[in-house]
Amino acid sequence: QVQLQESGPGLVKPSQTLSLTCTVSGGSISSGGYYWSWIRQHPGKGLEWIGYIYYSGPTYYNPSLKSRVTISLDTSKNQFSLKLSSVTAADTAVYYCARSIDPWGQGTLVTVSS
Amino acid sequence: EIVLTQSPGTLSLSPGERATLSCRASQSVKYNFLAWYQQKPGQAPRLLVYGASSRATGIPDRFTGSGSGTDFTLTISRLEPEDFAVYYCQQYGSSPFTFGPGTKVDIK
Repeated sequence: QVQLQESGPGLVKPSQTLSLTCTVSGGSISSGGYYWSWIRQHPGKGLEWIGYIYYSGPTYYNPSLKSRVTISLDTSKNQFSLKLSSVTAADTAVYYCARSIDPWGQGTLVTVSS
Repeated sequence: EIVLTQSPGTLSLSPGERATLSCRASQSVKYNFLAWYQQKPGQAPRLLVYGASSRATGIPDRFTGSGSGTDFTLTISRLEPEDFAVYYCQQYGSSPFTFGPGTKVDIK
């Protein structure tokens, strides 16, 4: 079955760009009908949807983050990625990737600190 | 943006009891695209129900989703020890997709 795994730096300095990759196994990222999402969860808090990219390329971002977010696909590697620019401590969270609404990756903690 | 409100915030029950969790949307959820997730500490959310009432693969039949429009309910018929967790609803019918704040089901 399809599995997703997030990867990337666990520590990012303030004002820099957070970059994460989600590697998809057990299925093609190019297969139709799915969108590929990023969601985050601040420590001890609820879930916040960041955005998604359709298999065909169109994206949609949470308006609250839109000016700082880019989600892209790399079909050759069966991966999709998240870039969040100008990060602050408020961006410290566990970041999850997901295919549509299921399945999700296990999540990766990103801490923003100098 | 559709705002989801979950109630109660915390539900204290004993194993074997019935749990009823509510999720209310600020406007109608398109196509009833409403999902329920269970999350345990240190784990990713697990999909329980999608499309308001369809049980996800491998989910026990003690979990039942119901409702439409703006009012949705997740019912756990008889709580098992492993069901004590936080439950989130999510609407995915209109972008931006949004989550409710969660209901914690803890042991009384």
